[in-house]
Amino acid sequence: ETGVTQTPRHLVMGMTNKKSLKCEQHLGHNAMYWYKQSAKKPLELMFVYNFKEQTENNSVPSRFSPECPNSSHLFLHLHTLQPEDSALYLCASSQDDRGLYEQYFGPGTRLTVT
Amino acid sequence: GESVGLHLPTLSVQEGDNSIINCAYSNSASDYFIWYKQESGKGPQFIIDIRSNMDKRQGQRVTVLLNKTVKHLSLQIAATQPGDSAVYFCAEVNTGNQFYFGTGTSLTVIP
Repeated sequence: ETGVTQTPRHLVMGMTNKKSLKCEQHLGHNAMYWYKQSAKKPLELMFVYNFKEQTENNSVPSRFSPECPNSSHLFLHLHTLQPEDSALYLCASSQDDRGLYEQYFGPGTRLTVT
Repeated sequence: GESVGLHLPTLSVQEGDNSIINCAYSNSASDYFIWYKQESGKGPQFIIDIRSNMDKRQGQRVTVLLNKTVKHLSLQIAATQPGDSAVYFCAEVNTGNQFYFGTGTSLTVIP
């Protein structure tokens, strides 16, 4: 185990639903990340939080709303998603967001939008 | 923009043989590179990293080689085992501390 947990592991939702993804890290890290992984495409960075503050929003549509109440927890609130949003959503953490420390990834949430 | 790519999408090797997975990058200013392994149903797992001031770094059964002249990165796995079957991808970190990931190479180890 990497010390990063994600729930749920699988989620099927309709386009009008509202759901949330949860990530928790037990590593004492200060930076947390959301990534989207689609088939045969590189990992896409969505959001970065460092010491609970959002430091990067990589032009993500507003139907994805992140929340970081503390350095150990990260949420991704989903609302009015599209079928093309179906993907594996990965959470990661690192010592900080300076990019020079390895990132530890959770197992991901497999999201299917119907 | 950045581009990080892999030469081959799939690679099959016989158990016990050595594996070589390649990665090309485009930004000569990138100063940090990482290899990840992603098994089915799991998130990416750090394998090994290398900084741009190095040409080679060795870990347990893995070696990363960096050729800055041609902007090429490779991962060598010695004595490949069935547990090595996974998708491997590289990541490039530029001077702005931004990560760029490759699409991945699927390694299959044949018993």
